[in-house]
Amino acid sequence: EVKLLESGGGLVQPGGSLRLSCAASGFTFTDFYMSWIRQPPGKAPEWLGVIRNKANGYTTEYNPSVKGRFTISRDNTQNILYLQMNTLRAEDTAIYYCARTYYRYWYFDFWGPGTMVTVSS
Amino acid sequence: DTVLTQSPALAVSPGERVSISCRASEGVNSYMHWYQQKPGQQPKLLIYKASNLASGVPARFSGSGSGTDFTLTIDPVEADDTATYFCQQSWNELTFGSGTKLEIK
Repeated sequence: EVKLLESGGGLVQPGGSLRLSCAASGFTFTDFYMSWIRQPPGKAPEWLGVIRNKANGYTTEYNPSVKGRFTISRDNTQNILYLQMNTLRAEDTAIYYCARTYYRYWYFDFWGPGTMVTVSS
Repeated sequence: DTVLTQSPALAVSPGERVSISCRASEGVNSYMHWYQQKPGQQPKLLIYKASNLASGVPARFSGSGSGTDFTLTIDPVEADDTATYFCQQSWNELTFGSGTKLEIK
C-alpha cells in the first residue's frame, strides 16, 4: 500500500525558514517523480515543484512563483522527500502536500494527508 | 499560465446524473485530470488523461473531452460523493481549476 506522510509544518514568522519532510513507503521510491503541492484554506491547489526519479538524474523543476525560495530534495536511502522553504511570506500559508507524480502525463496519483504551514507574526 | 474555469457549486439528488465542467483558456490536448477532495482530506485522483479511470475508482465516475472543454460525470450520484472536484492540466505547465463543490440534496 502506497503511503505518504508529511511532517514539519507549524507557525513561522515572516522571513523565516522551514523544512518539510514526506516519508514514503509501499513503492520503489527511486522509480518515481515526487512533487510538492500546496493549498491555501478554501482555495485551489498549486503545484510547487518536482524532483525526478533515478532514471532522470533526480533533477528538479519549480513553479516560478517559488523558484529561488523553495528547494526540493530527496533522501533515497530513507525514502524521504524534503521541501526547504526560505524567506517565507504570509501568502505561503497553506496546507502542503507531497504527491507521487506519474511522469508521462504529469498527474498526481497518491497524496499525503498534508501538513499545515502558517506564516504570521 | 493556462487558466482552468469551473463552476463554483452544484446540487443534485442521489441517483441523478451530474456533469462537472472544466474549460481551459487554451488547448491542453487530452492532458486533463480530475480529483475528488472531501472536507479535511487530501485530493484523490479519479480520472487521468481526460477519460481514464484511476485504480479503485468506481465506474460511476467517467471523464470526457479534449482541447479546451472537459467533463467529469457521476452517474448515479451517491450521498458519499459530497466533495469538491478539481480539474488539473499538464499540457502547459501544471495548473488546477478552482474547484466545483458538489452538494447532495
